[in-house]
Amino acid sequence: KAGVTQTPRYLIKTRGQQVTLSCSPISGHRSVSWYQQTPGQGLQFLFEYFSETQRNKGNFPGRFSGRQFSNSRSEMNVSTLELGDSALYLCASSPTGGYTGELFFGEGSRLTVL
Amino acid sequence: GESVGLHLPTLSVQEGDNSIINCAYSNSASDYFIWYKQESGKGPQFIIDIRSNMDKRQGQRVTVLLNKTVKHLSLQIAATQPGDSAVYFCAESNNNDMRFGAGTRLTVKP
Repeated sequence: KAGVTQTPRYLIKTRGQQVTLSCSPISGHRSVSWYQQTPGQGLQFLFEYFSETQRNKGNFPGRFSGRQFSNSRSEMNVSTLELGDSALYLCASSPTGGYTGELFFGEGSRLTVL
Repeated sequence: GESVGLHLPTLSVQEGDNSIINCAYSNSASDYFIWYKQESGKGPQFIIDIRSNMDKRQGQRVTVLLNKTVKHLSLQIAATQPGDSAVYFCAESNNNDMRFGAGTRLTVKP
């Protein structure tokens, strides 16, 4: 079974630009969640999608948004990039989602904002 | 505020020794705990989990201990191997929230 796939793996943007990251979950998994990982803040939950609906949301500004498609693939978008948005963005999938249960993580998209 | 934290940011052990990684949590409403391992350049990988109705759970070479009285979680790795070198972090959750610890970097010396 293929794992969680995230694209692109690395990208560089400048302040003010926007970025879209993509995540393909494990086949059969209906939940996709997104996380931001930085050295200073660690791993922080952004949001979770289940069957195309945002089910849970972390404490991030509205510049961070996401969506999920009917095939469970998900995208997250960050608009008006700031230097502090530089981070590893991780996507995870699970069969049922929620805050309990094993998460299957992708290898992440490393975003650098200049 | 409430937080999930790790006692030690780094841990260095000799190959073959046992490793103990600690995690403190402060949300008494957390009822599910999980340990993840993250190797360099990779995403986190599930190691073991435990629910609040248990004190101990064992896996292959790993044991998680939960002390609800002092809100403490630990991960024990038996006979640590070079492949165990990674960052380990805990997570606590309930139906409404999930938080991750900062992580402990485990280095295994040959």
